Amino acid sequence: KNEVEQSPQNLTAQEGEFITINCSYSVGISALHWLQQHPGGGIVSLFMLSSGKKKHGRLIATINIQEKHSSLHITASHPRDSAVYICAVSGSSGAGSYQLTFGKGTKLSVIP
Amino acid sequence: GAGVSQSPRYKVTKRGQDVALRCDPISGHVSLYWYRQALGQGPEFLTYFNYEAQQDKSGLPNDRFSAERPEGSISTLTIQRTEQRDSAMYRCASSGGTGPHYEQYFGPGTRLTVT
Repeated sequence: KNEVEQSPQNLTAQEGEFITINCSYSVGISALHWLQQHPGGGIVSLFMLSSGKKKHGRLIATINIQEKHSSLHITASHPRDSAVYICAVSGSSGAGSYQLTFGKGTKLSVIP
Repeated sequence: GAGVSQSPRYKVTKRGQDVALRCDPISGHVSLYWYRQALGQGPEFLTYFNYEAQQDKSGLPNDRFSAERPEGSISTLTIQRTEQRDSAMYRCASSGGTGPHYEQYFGPGTRLTVT
């Protein structure tokens, strides 16, 4: 079973700071997902990637398949970015390819 | 369009009672997933449907848990003889295709509390 580790577990930043959240996994994957869980509990998919880099607004996600590592960056952070960010991976073959294995999440608080 | 919906949003039940949690996926989505999320943890996979077929139920904790999707649309997760350890957020998600490269859309969850 894939082990998904996120760091840091908690992060407090000042508004405007550049933020990086890291995710590492132990076994080869088909795809990696970054999810945002709002304070109200809803989960929204931010990115799905299997190689390289994706950008959406102030959010950038990168993945290094060889190193089994991904990062989520937030530029010019804002208090509305405060949420729990969750990394999840899907396995490389068979049944594991559609099962998502989730990290425990990184709780981000952006202070004005 | 409408997203994934779940009902009820909150359920409080006494130990020993049966509960049924409903998931209404996005229309036309072929794949449906059930997850359980304990407080402060990431979600854990429970089961997966491709249309009406339950392809994987390996994440269901024990035989008190069952799920169905009889017409390939709405799904019900049933927990029989609930126990306090079953208290958690139960989420479903749907995707438009089969396999790892389809984005999953999550419902708001059902918060189950067993007293």
